[in-house]
Amino acid sequence: EDQVTQSPEALRLQEGESSSLNCSYTVSGLRGLFWYRQDPGKGPEFLFTLYSAGEEKEKERLKATLTKKESFLHITAPKPEDSATYLCAVKRANSKLTFGKGITLSVRP
Amino acid sequence: NAGVTQTPKFRILKIGQSMTLQCTQDMNHNYMYWYRQDPGMGLKLIYYSVGAGITDKGEVPNGYNVSRSTTEDFPLRLELAAPSQTSVYFCASDGDTQYFGPGTRLTVL
Repeated sequence: EDQVTQSPEALRLQEGESSSLNCSYTVSGLRGLFWYRQDPGKGPEFLFTLYSAGEEKEKERLKATLTKKESFLHITAPKPEDSATYLCAVKRANSKLTFGKGITLSVRP
Repeated sequence: NAGVTQTPKFRILKIGQSMTLQCTQDMNHNYMYWYRQDPGMGLKLIYYSVGAGITDKGEVPNGYNVSRSTTEDFPLRLELAAPSQTSVYFCASDGDTQYFGPGTRLTVL
């Protein structure tokens, strides 16, 4: 059974204080690992897809990395507008996603 | 290009009532999904479809039904609403990446 575990459950940072969010996964035949951002009252918004170990992708202050067992979402010098819940999901060949429970990030000015 | 749209945004039902949550996508994706999201529980797959006329159960299908008569539309039907169906419902479509609608917040009293 596919499993996705995200940690920590919640993270409070001061503006400018860099940190990382973790996503550990167990899946047979990974077809992609996905990161989404979700703001309160809205649907998940796609951020990144990673397909193989060693791959990295960047967007503004966010950088996602992938190993064979986990993915990290690094946030460099975060701003209050980065406050959101970040979701990680894995996809198998059947195209279904298995999601983690999410990490709620709060960035204080 | 509106992406994935959902109606209604909010709804309150009484126990035993029925309703249909509407979902439409304009990206010509074959794959579509319905999820529910409960606090602290992550996204759970209810039903999915790999194309018009083809649907299948996900992780939590009990109490729901779906149909897929066109590529664009994937409605979710609740036949006899129960308090356990109080949740936020998201529809998504997938052409390689899953894109989500804005959600429907349903309360059953």
